[in-house]
Amino acid sequence: KAGVTQTPRYLIKTRGQQVTLSCSPISGHRSVSWYQQTPGQGLQFLFEYFSETQRNKGNFPGRFSGRQFSNSRSEMNVSTLELGDSALYLCASSNANLGLTGTYEQYFGPGTRLTVT
Amino acid sequence: DQQVKQNSPSLSVQEGRISILNCDYTNSMFDYFLWYKKYPAEGPTFLISISSIKDKNEDGRFTVFLNKSAKHLSLHIVPSQPGDSAVYFCAGLSFFGNEKLTFGTGTRLTIIP
Repeated sequence: KAGVTQTPRYLIKTRGQQVTLSCSPISGHRSVSWYQQTPGQGLQFLFEYFSETQRNKGNFPGRFSGRQFSNSRSEMNVSTLELGDSALYLCASSNANLGLTGTYEQYFGPGTRLTVT
Repeated sequence: DQQVKQNSPSLSVQEGRISILNCDYTNSMFDYFLWYKKYPAEGPTFLISISSIKDKNEDGRFTVFLNKSAKHLSLHIVPSQPGDSAVYFCAGLSFFGNEKLTFGTGTRLTIIP
């Protein structure tokens, strides 16, 4: 089955602009998470959505927001872009198995490389 | 607070031998641990996971061992192949924190032909 897809793969924006990134999870996965990866900070959790509800949010300013649609697709938005927002933004989806006796898997998409100039 | 630690930033192993990647954690509330392989500018590739109620899980060349009393886990790759050269991350997940993964800082594995 198809993996997690993210669009666009690359973006160049200028400071002060806003950007929307899109993520389509693996079919059947209802949980979608977003992460930011930078060389200095590693992989940092942004937020997680399940059934169109944000269940968890990382330590990022309010300029970072997201949403999930009824088909589990998700978008994240960054407003008033700053130079420090340049990063690889990763989306992940999971089978959301909440038991300990089964298996848990969370798969990542290829990422969107955002460059802010 | 670094809840997941990978104390070895790099590791070199001869092709065909065993690669052992280590990870320590401080959060006793993690329910699952996951291992990922990552190439630059790409998303992490899921390798294997283990539930906190198990001490071993195996999938092909990959085996993960969990020692809860020591708060330590390790990933064994046997036999190591040149294509295994990448950065490896371990991550912990607590269902109390929903689907949030807490990542270690990574270990760069180099397989020497």
